[in-house]
Amino acid sequence: NAGVTQTPKFQVLKTGQSMTLQCAQDMNHEYMSWYRQDPGMGLRLIHYSVGAGITDQGEVPNGYNVSRSTTEDFPLRLLSAAPSQTSVYFCASRGTAEFEQYFGPGTRLTVT
Amino acid sequence: GEDVEQSLFLSVREGDSSVINCTYTDSSSTYLYWYKQEPGAGLQLLTYIFSNMDMKQDQRLTVLLNKKDKHLSLRIADTQTGDSAIYFCAEIITGYALNFGKGTSLLVTP
Repeated sequence: NAGVTQTPKFQVLKTGQSMTLQCAQDMNHEYMSWYRQDPGMGLRLIHYSVGAGITDQGEVPNGYNVSRSTTEDFPLRLLSAAPSQTSVYFCASRGTAEFEQYFGPGTRLTVT
Repeated sequence: GEDVEQSLFLSVREGDSSVINCTYTDSSSTYLYWYKQEPGAGLQLLTYIFSNMDMKQDQRLTVLLNKKDKHLSLRIADTQTGDSAIYFCAEIITGYALNFGKGTSLLVTP
């Protein structure tokens, strides 16, 4: 199993550009989530999904969209990037019968 | 969401014990977690405790849970310089996502 994969590892965007951060898992997990990590702020939940076709907002959803068309994939879209979205983004997944959240390696995004 | 509270910094000498404290928000959380993050790295699950337990020991790590006060602690025995990192406590919230504290930076000095 590859676990949770995220692409790209690094990205630099200009203000106003759009892009999609990719997240995929090969463990057939129902639950997936996106977090952003900023210095001194811990990890904050952006969006989460409890299964294909079902998504919901977390603590800091503004400026981000998600979709879950398959169990495996949970992409995060930045519609119009802003410098405030400069952060490290982590994707995670978890199965129903498991206790552990599996985290991807992260995407470091800089918006200039 | 509501804040999971942790102290921001802790400095200990090598060989001493470290105790990192956390106050969580949701008394119905079934699992509570401790994650470790080294500089520039991702998150590593250190240990977890199920809500019907008061204590869990795993080698040098001891987790204590006080459900009445919603207080969680992580004790690292015989702390080593390799334990220097940021430690996050986290609780399960809706959708099995996690609500994290801001993290405690542990510095271990020789």
